[in-house]
Amino acid sequence: QVQLVESGGGVVQPGRSLRLSCAASGFTFSTYAMHWVRQAPGKGLEWVAVISYDGSSRHYGDSVRGRFTISRDNSKNTLYLQMDSLSADDTAVYYCAKGDWERGLTGYFDYWGQGTLVTVSS
Amino acid sequence: DIQMTQSPSTLSASVGDRVTITCRASQSLNSWLAWYQQKAGKAPKLLIYKTSSLESGVPSRFSGSGSGTEFTLTISSLQPDDFATYYCLQYNTYSQWTFGQGTKVEIK
Repeated sequence: QVQLVESGGGVVQPGRSLRLSCAASGFTFSTYAMHWVRQAPGKGLEWVAVISYDGSSRHYGDSVRGRFTISRDNSKNTLYLQMDSLSADDTAVYYCAKGDWERGLTGYFDYWGQGTLVTVSS
Repeated sequence: DIQMTQSPSTLSASVGDRVTITCRASQSLNSWLAWYQQKAGKAPKLLIYKTSSLESGVPSRFSGSGSGTEFTLTISSLQPDDFATYYCLQYNTYSQWTFGQGTKVEIK
């Protein structure tokens, strides 16, 4: 069965960096686009970033573009999110999610991880 | 960018009620709309994709409809397990995904 397990969350000071990981199993990771979605405490869902199945295409939400970098290592079945210049507004649970369309970039999210909490605070 | 407007933000209903949640898009989505259910402290769960296709394992009391810019999620007979927050998601483009603001379904 599909499993997505995020890690790397924690408390970080404003202006610092953090890298999240998402370990995937139960499907052919190298053939699906992957996403990061976040949810601030008590708020709704916000799409953060997408990376194509082969890493050749990446897109970001307006609020993180230029500060966050999505990447993947298909040999390790792992997705990453490098977060730089963090601010309190980045405090959220970060979910990784699998795209539904094999070798496609668009599509909905059919599986989600359990999330990892990032708290930006001094 | 495509904006999504979801309503209502909160809905109070009783077990057995028929419930309808609406999402409106700022431009046509060509049926590329999904619905998710989220319970407190849990990841979202896919209910509906491509406007009206029911995800495997999801009860048939959930249904989706709509076209163009207006879409609806209907729960035909609300069950105790259905009290949760629901989100729509547009996936019409390959460079931007947008969620609705969410609808919390509460016990009346």
